[in-house]
Amino acid sequence: NAGVTQTPKFRVLKTGQSMTLLCAQDMNHEYMYWYRQDPGMGLRLIHYSVGEGTTAKGEVPDGYNVSRLKKQNFLLGLESAAPSQTSVYFCASSRLERTSTDTQYFGPGTRLTVL
Amino acid sequence: AQKVTQAQTEISVVEKEDVTLDCVYETRDTTYYLFWYKQPPSGELVFLIRRNSFDEQNEISGRYSWNFQKSTSSFNFTITASQVVDSAVYFCALSALSGGYNKLIFGAGTRLAVHP
Repeated sequence: NAGVTQTPKFRVLKTGQSMTLLCAQDMNHEYMYWYRQDPGMGLRLIHYSVGEGTTAKGEVPDGYNVSRLKKQNFLLGLESAAPSQTSVYFCASSRLERTSTDTQYFGPGTRLTVL
Repeated sequence: AQKVTQAQTEISVVEKEDVTLDCVYETRDTTYYLFWYKQPPSGELVFLIRRNSFDEQNEISGRYSWNFQKSTSSFNFTITASQVVDSAVYFCALSALSGGYNKLIFGAGTRLAVHP
């Protein structure tokens, strides 16, 4: 059981380049999330999705776009990368819970460097 | 507003020592959930525990124990007889209705180094 997977694991971009990070989960979870982790700041929510075809902004959405065309996949896009987007990106997923919070399970992370 | 504070940035102990990682949270909700995650040097985030605000019983899992005190808004994590494999960054996180269930607010993390 793979759980949550992310591709790529590492990437180096030049300022202004674009890229897409792919997250896939095989747990049939409704909810999916993208976080970024920066030193001394914990994880911050970028965007999330509560189901196929839906997306919503999190705490730090600027400069990112997302899409959830299939239930098992959640894509994070950077249209014009900036050095401030150098970070480690984590994807997570959780079950549908309308009146409580279910546990989020995380992927292994993608380390992105923008030069 | 919701907030999680992990005041200890780094802790260094010698193997077999007991160590407590502090977590203080802020929320106005009466129903909320608290989590601890472990991030070992390999980088992945490993779920350790989930606790809801109505369950104040302390929990023990092997060498790990958690002390939830609503009176002080704290959810502290203790490792008994620490081992080198416990070396990691530990994150405390909060989720509550007003912030949206399933939105986790993370603390900044505590880096634990266990030396042989």
